[in-house]
Amino acid sequence: NAGVTQTPKFQVLKTGQSMTLQCAQDMNHEYMSWYRQDPGMGLRLIHYSVGAGITDQGEVPNGYNVSRSTTEDFPLRLLSAAPSQTSVYFCASSYGGRSYEQYFGPGTRLTVT
Amino acid sequence: AQKVTQAQTEISVVEKEDVTLDCVYETRDTTYYLFWYKQPPSGELVFLIRRNSFDEQNEISGRYSWNFQKSTSSFNFTITASQVVDSAVYFCALSEHNAGNMLTFGGGTRLMVKP
Repeated sequence: NAGVTQTPKFQVLKTGQSMTLQCAQDMNHEYMSWYRQDPGMGLRLIHYSVGAGITDQGEVPNGYNVSRSTTEDFPLRLLSAAPSQTSVYFCASSYGGRSYEQYFGPGTRLTVT
Repeated sequence: AQKVTQAQTEISVVEKEDVTLDCVYETRDTTYYLFWYKQPPSGELVFLIRRNSFDEQNEISGRYSWNFQKSTSSFNFTITASQVVDSAVYFCALSEHNAGNMLTFGGGTRLMVKP
């Protein structure tokens, strides 16, 4: 099992550009989520999905879109990148949602200039 | 609203010392779940432990132990005889049963174990 994979590992964007961060898992987990990690603030939930076709907002959803067309994939779209979106982004999956341990991907370090 | 506070931003110890990482949480729910994750310098996040609010038994796993006290809303983590490989950022997290699928993390504690 590859677990949770994320691409790319690093990305530099200019303000206003858009891009998609990819996330895939091969554990057949229903629950997937995206977090951003900023210094001193821990991880904050951006969006999550409890199954294919179902998504919902987390704590900091503005500027991001998600969709879940398959159980395996959960891409995160930045619509118009801003310097405030410079962060490390983690995708996670779990068997049963909030009460279960999350399996995290390796992260994507995004810099917006 | 749920909240997790890790007041210790950084801790530095010498190898073989014991160290305790504090975690204090706030919740209005009677059913909730607490977690600890480790983030080593390589950057990945590793699950360490999960506790539900009805299980106040302390847990020991090798050199790691956890003390869950509902009376003080704390879920502290102790490493006995610390090693250099324990150097990492440690996160405490909380999920309320009635808060949808929100998982709230504390700000993390950076532990540095010196040889």
